[in-house]
Amino acid sequence: GQNIDQPTEMTATEGAIVQINCTYQTSGFNGLFWYQQHAGEAPKFLSYNVLDGLEEKGRFSSFLSRSKGYSYLLLKELQMKDSASYLCAIMDSNYQLIWGAGTKLIIKP
Amino acid sequence: SAVISQKPSRDICQRGTSLTIQCQVDSQVTMMFWYRQQPGQSLTLIATANQGSEATYESGFVIDKFPISRPNLTFSTLTVSNMSPEDSSIYLCSVGSGQDLYEQYFGPGTRLTVT
Repeated sequence: GQNIDQPTEMTATEGAIVQINCTYQTSGFNGLFWYQQHAGEAPKFLSYNVLDGLEEKGRFSSFLSRSKGYSYLLLKELQMKDSASYLCAIMDSNYQLIWGAGTKLIIKP
Repeated sequence: SAVISQKPSRDICQRGTSLTIQCQVDSQVTMMFWYRQQPGQSLTLIATANQGSEATYESGFVIDKFPISRPNLTFSTLTVSNMSPEDSSIYLCSVGSGQDLYEQYFGPGTRLTVT
């Protein structure tokens, strides 16, 4: 079967660093995506990893280990506007996205 | 990135009626998708809208309930037919974009409430 696990909710402090983990088991793998979704808004594309390693994009970085079925999204220098849900999604062998349930990130001053 | 608009942004409909949601993209795209997102839940893919052929539906979704049109490479519609309160949800269209079509961009969504 297909399964994507990520924590339901996390809390962090403004200015700090937070790591959101995602583990997966899917039929085929054509890449892993992270999306940010603010309440009441559409998901916004953050990153795409298809090879092992770390991809850095400003304050956000995403890591992938295909052998371990594991990824994380690292957010640095947290800002209040980073409070949102973060969705992990896998592109399967049919090039369709399988979505995790999302991690609600709460940033406290 | 593609700019996507959806109409209507929200609607309140009566049980048994139908609503057609429009999705317009500012550039030609190969792949368009329709998703549903229940409150507080992740996204569920309804179907892939194919230009010039029938849409490809995911398990649990059928054409009679969610007919889809894709008349060209910039436009698609999703109809929610014979609505019931269980159809109350946010409906999102998205497009594959980026150099390798691996980036998906979403429209702002249509918030549907069925009474």
